[in-house]
Amino acid sequence: EAGVTQFPSHSVIEKGQTVTLRCDPISGHDNLYWYRRVMGKEIKFLLHFVKESKQDESGMPNNRFLAERTGGTYSTLKVQPAELEDSGVYFCASSQIAGGPDTQYFGPGTRLTVL
Amino acid sequence: QKEVEQNSGPLSVPEGAIASLNCTYSDRGSQSFFWYRQYSGKSPELIMSIYSNGDKEDGRFTAQLNKASQYVSLLIRDSQPSDSATYLCAVKGGYGGSQGNLIFGKGTKLSVKP
Repeated sequence: EAGVTQFPSHSVIEKGQTVTLRCDPISGHDNLYWYRRVMGKEIKFLLHFVKESKQDESGMPNNRFLAERTGGTYSTLKVQPAELEDSGVYFCASSQIAGGPDTQYFGPGTRLTVL
Repeated sequence: QKEVEQNSGPLSVPEGAIASLNCTYSDRGSQSFFWYRQYSGKSPELIMSIYSNGDKEDGRFTAQLNKASQYVSLLIRDSQPSDSATYLCAVKGGYGGSQGNLIFGKGTKLSVKP
């Protein structure tokens, strides 16, 4: 069974440009999460999809970030325009059940560098 | 603000010793507790989960939970150099708000010396 995949693995862009990150969850997982780790900080929650619906987007830093999950399969996270403080590693995770003991499986992450 | 605290380390232990990793959390309503291992440049990988007070053993790993003290720990017996990684404590499921997302600590870097 394929795990969570993310694309690209690395992205280097200039301030003001747009970047789109993609996440393909494990097949059959309705729940998809985006997290971010900024250097020196802990991994922080950004948002949670259940199928194609946004269940919780309380962790999104501002309106420069837009996440979509059309059709309830893969998800994209777009940053427009990117700022220096957006640099970090963006992780995607998926799970079958949102609450309780369900395991979240993480992808390898996308390392974003904004110059 | 819900927080999870861990000593950043590095924690250095000799091969064969017991490594003890600790974590405290602020949200008394938290229900689920996880330990993830992350090798440098790789994704976090779940190694243990625990939901009830007490100990849970899986091979060389033992997770301990004390909800009254808001404390969770991970013991690694017979530590191997391949256990060298950053260990992330994560908590989920406080009352109110989303019960799906994980709240992570900054992680403890473990180094097992041959």
